[in-house]
Amino acid sequence: DAGVTQSPTHLIKTRGQQVTLRCSPKSGHDTVSWYQQALGQGPQFIFQYYEEEERQRGNFPDRFSGHQFPNYSSELNVNALLLGDSALYLCASSLKVVGETQYFGPGTRLLVL
Amino acid sequence: GNSVTQMEGPVTLSEEAFLTINCTYTATGYPSLFWYVQYPGEGLQLLLKATKADDKGSNKGFEATYRKETTSFHLEKGSVQVSDSAVYFCALSDLSGNTPLVFGKGTRLSVIA
Repeated sequence: DAGVTQSPTHLIKTRGQQVTLRCSPKSGHDTVSWYQQALGQGPQFIFQYYEEEERQRGNFPDRFSGHQFPNYSSELNVNALLLGDSALYLCASSLKVVGETQYFGPGTRLLVL
Repeated sequence: GNSVTQMEGPVTLSEEAFLTINCTYTATGYPSLFWYVQYPGEGLQLLLKATKADDKGSNKGFEATYRKETTSFHLEKGSVQVSDSAVYFCALSDLSGNTPLVFGKGTRLSVIA
């Protein structure tokens, strides 16, 4: 049973560019959440997707957008990259059931120069 | 809003020493509480969880008890090993649904032989 997978593992971009990160949820899971983890900090919630719609959003600007596909996989897009967007981006999947546990992928490490 | 406060690290212990990592929370309602662990270069792994007051979560020798009266969820292990060296995150989630996790800043543990 494959767990949560993310691609790419590492990425280097320059300021002003755009980036797309991808996530495949754990088998059987229908909900995907994205988190940003800056160096030395705990993860911060970006948004959550369920039934191909954004259901909840954290305190992130509109430069951060996402998408969920019919197979439940998801993308995170970040436009107009800033140096401060450098972080580990984590995807978590779960079932849309009260109290269900979120399972995390290994993350994509983004460096913005 | 909801928040989690963890003891500052890093924590350095000798093998077989007793471990305590303090975690307190602020939340409306009755959250679920979690400890996640992050090994070097990896994503987050769920270590243990508790969903209601007085519940004790346990896994791999680690334990934590949900204390509503003190709003705490301290992580303990009786005898640490070198392989326990990692960053530990305390987190909460509203029990109202599959809601986003709110994390503490993490505590780095180093165990020396």
